[in-house]
Amino acid sequence: DVVLTQSPLSLPVTLGQPASISCRSSQSLAHHTGNTYLSWFQQRPGQSPRRLIYKVSKRDSGVPDRFSGSGSGTDFTLKINRVEAEDVAVYYCMQGTHWPGLTFGGGTKVEIK
Amino acid sequence: QVKLVESGGGLVKPGGSLRLSCAVSGLTFSEEYMSWIRQAPGKGLEFISYIGDSGSPIYHADSVKGRFTISRDNAKNSLYLQMNSLTAEDTAVYYCARLADSSCDYWGQGTLVTVSS
Repeated sequence: DVVLTQSPLSLPVTLGQPASISCRSSQSLAHHTGNTYLSWFQQRPGQSPRRLIYKVSKRDSGVPDRFSGSGSGTDFTLKINRVEAEDVAVYYCMQGTHWPGLTFGGGTKVEIK
Repeated sequence: QVKLVESGGGLVKPGGSLRLSCAVSGLTFSEEYMSWIRQAPGKGLEFISYIGDSGSPIYHADSVKGRFTISRDNAKNSLYLQMNSLTAEDTAVYYCARLADSSCDYWGQGTLVTVSS
């Protein structure tokens, strides 16, 4: 199965400052169709995961535009433009390119300094 | 409005069995791939199973293969996970999610399974 490695594990951020999370894949996530199936999820304390980004950079409906995704091949990044208090959560990447073993990264915890 | 509601979790002894259900509304269930993802206490997300819209294909992760079985009833808009030979390592919150365009977009609230004597 494809291994997704997220860094850092923990990310203390000052309110209003940017934050960046890395997700590196053990194999290229470029699909023969031309798509790259890399998604990002947010899990706030005590809640279910919520998808923020799919196909590397497409934002889900209702997701604030301070969240953005980028990357290609094996290296991907989730950026939060200006962190707000409601962004405190664990963030996960997930790959859907290599079936059947779909996989998640280990998670990055964003907290306020 | 899309809604996924899991049920069936609880406390079970090691070696025991449990059947989880996921009731889906707001989607054309019979046209959707569905999946189960679990999260052990304080740990990350683990993708464990999916099933195609008409009942195939079916996939189970190695960690549950031979013990867990995913199934669905399209007439009842419901997804199931039969879990046998449970061990302490299966203790987790179990989520059902729609699997669309190679991603999980809609998730339920989860149901907690605790395996303990």
